[in-house]
Amino acid sequence: QVHVVESGGGLVKPGGSLRLSCAASGFSFSDYFMAWIRQAPGKGLECIAYVSGTSILKTYADSVKGRFTISRDNSKNLVFLQMDRLTAEDTATYYCARDLKQWVIGTFFDNWGQGTRVTVSS
Amino acid sequence: EIVLTQSPATLSLSPGERATLSCRASQSISTYLGWYQQKPGQAPRLLIYDASDRATGIPARFSGSGSGTDFTLTISSLEPEDSAVYYCQQRSNWITFGQGTRLEIK
Repeated sequence: QVHVVESGGGLVKPGGSLRLSCAASGFSFSDYFMAWIRQAPGKGLECIAYVSGTSILKTYADSVKGRFTISRDNSKNLVFLQMDRLTAEDTATYYCARDLKQWVIGTFFDNWGQGTRVTVSS
Repeated sequence: EIVLTQSPATLSLSPGERATLSCRASQSISTYLGWYQQKPGQAPRLLIYDASDRATGIPARFSGSGSGTDFTLTISSLEPEDSAVYYCQQRSNWITFGQGTRLEIK
């Protein structure tokens, strides 16, 4: 059974940094693209980054480009999101999600974690 | 950026009724569209991908149609547990989501 669990959220001051982790299990981890998708309080969904199975391809939304870095460790079935220069607009629940199809870029997301909340406030 | 516009914003129907949710893309996206259901406090759940394919475990009362710029999610006979916010998502150019349709079951 596929399982995805995020951790690392919390309260951080504007300009600060935070590193989110996502632990995955129940599937051949290195075969799948993984993504981070966030949802501001009471708002819709925004895909902010995804990474290919081999980490060769990493893509970011314009809203986080240059501030956030996605990475993965296939030996430990982990995905990370390093978030720097945080602003209030980054306050959201951050979800880690698995791509629907093996080896294919950016399709749809069929397995999500429960989310980890990030609050940026002084 | 491809913008997805969902309508209506809110839909209120009774159990057993048919629900029709719309998603319109700002430019043609072929059939690169999916639908998600999100209940309060939960992560989204994939219902439909590639415009009309049901994801694993999704009941047959959920169906999707459309191509190009106009898409529809139909729930043929509403159950009380279908109360949720429904989002469409495109993968034609990057990945973007619609703003959601809130479905209330009376």
